[in-house]
Amino acid sequence: SQTIHQWPATLVQPVGSPLSLECTVEGTSNPNLYWYRQAAGRGLQLLFYSVGIGQISSEVPQNLSASRPQDRQFILSSKKLLLSDSGFYLCAWSVGSSGSDTQYFGPGTRLTVL
Amino acid sequence: AQSVTQLDSQVPVFEEAPVELRCNYSSSVSVYLFWYVQYPNQGLQLLLKYLSGSTLVESINGFEAEFNKSQTSFHLRKPSVHISDTAEYFCAVRDASGGSYIPTFGRGTSLIVHP
Repeated sequence: SQTIHQWPATLVQPVGSPLSLECTVEGTSNPNLYWYRQAAGRGLQLLFYSVGIGQISSEVPQNLSASRPQDRQFILSSKKLLLSDSGFYLCAWSVGSSGSDTQYFGPGTRLTVL
Repeated sequence: AQSVTQLDSQVPVFEEAPVELRCNYSSSVSVYLFWYVQYPNQGLQLLLKYLSGSTLVESINGFEAEFNKSQTSFHLRKPSVHISDTAEYFCAVRDASGGSYIPTFGRGTSLIVHP
């Protein structure tokens, strides 16, 4: 069966520090991968998605970046965090490109920037 | 472009009462529709989805949603809620015409079930 892991679960970082959040998927090949941010009362904001290794599409210009060094690994990074980067970060995966496939979400990382 | 409107940010209800969480969408193409549930400090889980066929879809835990094309709605209902249904519920839409498969999510509705 397929599983998705995210770590760390919680993170408290000072403003201006770097960030690296990791997401890995098991049990499937060539998944579509997604990074979302969820701020309180603001729903889900798609940050990045990837349809293959090294292929990253950015939805929102910001100080975050994403990389996909391996087929089932998706990394979210920042060189210098801002206060506005605080939120709940969710990684998700799906397979196929028809739109009917389900997205499966990881447990999330709660990031607090102080 | 598509958009999803969840009309209620918060819905308080007493245990064993019925509930309806409203979702309206806007799209120039045919769509697939989804409801996800998010329990506190967890990721989202698929609750149910409409792809084609019967406009009434059901989940295993008693929720149902009806696709109404003329009203561009996909409201979620449950005839009798439990305390354990307290969660955030998200409606989502995806292009069914072969275009972008990136989903558009609503802002979410917080269902709060009181004893």
